Amino acid sequence: ETGVTQTPRHLVMGMTNKKSLKCEQHLGHNAMYWYKQSAKKPLELMFVYNFKEQTENNSVPSRFSPECPNSSHLFLHLHTLQPEDSALYLCASSSDRSNQPQHFGDGTRLSIL
Amino acid sequence: QKEVEQNSGPLSVPEGAIASLNCTYSDRGSQSFFWYRQYSGKSPELIMSIYSNGDKEDGRFTAQLNKASQYVSLLIRDSQPSDSATYLCAVRGSQGNLIFGKGTKLSVKP
Repeated sequence: ETGVTQTPRHLVMGMTNKKSLKCEQHLGHNAMYWYKQSAKKPLELMFVYNFKEQTENNSVPSRFSPECPNSSHLFLHLHTLQPEDSALYLCASSSDRSNQPQHFGDGTRLSIL
Repeated sequence: QKEVEQNSGPLSVPEGAIASLNCTYSDRGSQSFFWYRQYSGKSPELIMSIYSNGDKEDGRFTAQLNKASQYVSLLIRDSQPSDSATYLCAVRGSQGNLIFGKGTKLSVKP
């Protein structure tokens, strides 16, 4: 496998469920990111990890909890989500936090009932 | 609040024409600029990066950067129906984060 892989591709969950999104990158990158993409809005940065350390949390509600066990894997744990959290969640990676471009996974389309 | 502005479109051009996509940004300290293409239901795909003033060409794509005017553009020559997508401008600001515009939807008519 190459690139950035996200699972699952689609997820439907109730407001009281707990689920996790997974991201894996095979590019040898050291920085990983979670973004949220809603209709009619720009991509919103949620979390940044650099060398497994969280370097940014853009005022994301605590019902979203990231985890980065190593430089190749990134998780987003979901708990007690709201209908407005329905969106496309994209994972990205880059070689580092400098000027290098980010490469995106195919995303998880999340629907909250 | 650092911003990246794009015309949401849709921008409609005939096949074979030049499509011109524009982007302005507010952070004067920005150093890196990227264009991503996103097909409906798919993830953003990097197509161009540019770091210094002037033009950068890659095949049918040309990125243009003018830091004094805080303006970056993407030209697509000989547009094809397969170029129909949403084009996202992304700017790495002075604080290191990548800030995206809302995207411009391009439609290339056969």
